[in-house]
Amino acid sequence: GENVEQHPSTLSVQEGDSAVIKCTYSDSASNYFPWYKQELGKGPQLIIDIRSNVGEKKDQRIAVTLNKTAKHFSLHITETQPEDSAVYFCAASNFGNEKLTFGTGTRLTIIP
Amino acid sequence: DAEITQSPRHKITETGRQVTLACHQTWNHNNMFWYRQDLGHGLRLIHYSYGVQDTNKGEVSDGYSVSRSNTEDLPLTLESAASSQTSVYFCASSKSSYNEQFFGPGTRLTVL
Repeated sequence: GENVEQHPSTLSVQEGDSAVIKCTYSDSASNYFPWYKQELGKGPQLIIDIRSNVGEKKDQRIAVTLNKTAKHFSLHITETQPEDSAVYFCAASNFGNEKLTFGTGTRLTIIP
Repeated sequence: DAEITQSPRHKITETGRQVTLACHQTWNHNNMFWYRQDLGHGLRLIHYSYGVQDTNKGEVSDGYSVSRSNTEDLPLTLESAASSQTSVYFCASSKSSYNEQFFGPGTRLTVL
């Protein structure tokens, strides 16, 4: 089955700087890669996703890049703000297979 | 507003007892999922359902069961609770294969 590795497990960034979280996956058939943000005491919430026919996708301060050859994808957050502090999860799945395999999470702390 | 709810939000039980966690969604989504979240493991899939009367085992299904008698609900039952099942449990739903999974607020279960 699919295996997703996520790094780093914790990340502290000065407010205004950029943050990058990286994930690798094992199953070359995977073609859907969402990123979820989890705030304290809440369930994960989708913030951005990318499909395998696209190399990069942006949504305001958030971007995701995908390298299918190397089987890795990354989340980039620019101009970080205190409200970006949370745990971020990457995931992978195969279209037509609704099951998501999640990474182990990254706790991002924005230092004011 | 449509939503997904879980109850109870917190539960303490004893080893060997049967426990049922409720999940209810009002989006009329076909797909429903149960995950457990543990430090260092991220989110792991327990069981999932693609529709009424359909249930499937996930990555960590031993000791758990689900039933889907209607579209809105997917209760998770721990037949004989074990200390290893102490965790935070999340329910999620999605409309179809290509749609975002929406997560509930979670249930924190402690087995003593």
